[in-house]
Amino acid sequence: DAGVIQSPRHEVTEMGQEVTLRCKPISGHDYLFWYRQTMMRGLELLIYFNNNVPIDDSGMPEDRFSAKMPNASFSTLKIQPSEPRDSAVYFCASRAGQGFSELFFGSGTQLSVL
Amino acid sequence: AQKVTQAQTEISVVEKEDVTLDCVYETRDTTYYLFWYKQPPSGELVFLIRRNSFDEQNEISGRYSWNFQKSTSSFNFTITASQVVDSAVYFCALSEAVYNTDKLIFGTGTRLQVFP
Repeated sequence: DAGVIQSPRHEVTEMGQEVTLRCKPISGHDYLFWYRQTMMRGLELLIYFNNNVPIDDSGMPEDRFSAKMPNASFSTLKIQPSEPRDSAVYFCASRAGQGFSELFFGSGTQLSVL
Repeated sequence: AQKVTQAQTEISVVEKEDVTLDCVYETRDTTYYLFWYKQPPSGELVFLIRRNSFDEQNEISGRYSWNFQKSTSSFNFTITASQVVDSAVYFCALSEAVYNTDKLIFGTGTRLQVFP
């Protein structure tokens, strides 16, 4: 299996631009998570989906952030407009089943907003 | 509330030293799951171990061992005879079985540096 695939690996953009991060979960996994990692706050859960349905988006920092999962094999996290404080590593992760199951992470997207 | 605390921000040791990474958790659930993940300098997160709340047996895997104590709400991780390749950020995480069943909440991580 190819694992969780994220793109792009690196993204550099200017403040105010729209940014879209992409994720392909492991086939057969019914949960998908988006995390953000910063030095100050560590790994924060932004949003997660179960069977393509958003379950909890309480971690999304503000309305500038949105996430979708149109099908079982694809999800996006969009930031519009982006701000320098959004600079972080964004991880996508997936798993099969509930909380006792192992979470598999993608390689992350390093986002820099100038 | 579901919470994981890793009080040690950074630890530095010399190769072959033993090192213990602390993890303290909070949960209102009686059934829950604890995890450790490793994040090497390359950046990916690697699963190390999972433990459920009913199994307090310590676990050993090579140079790695884990000590789970419900009485102190701790799930500590010990590396014996550390090696340079152990240098990484280590995260402890918690998932509840009844409340917030789907969420895996991470601690802030402990950066371990092993010097030759």
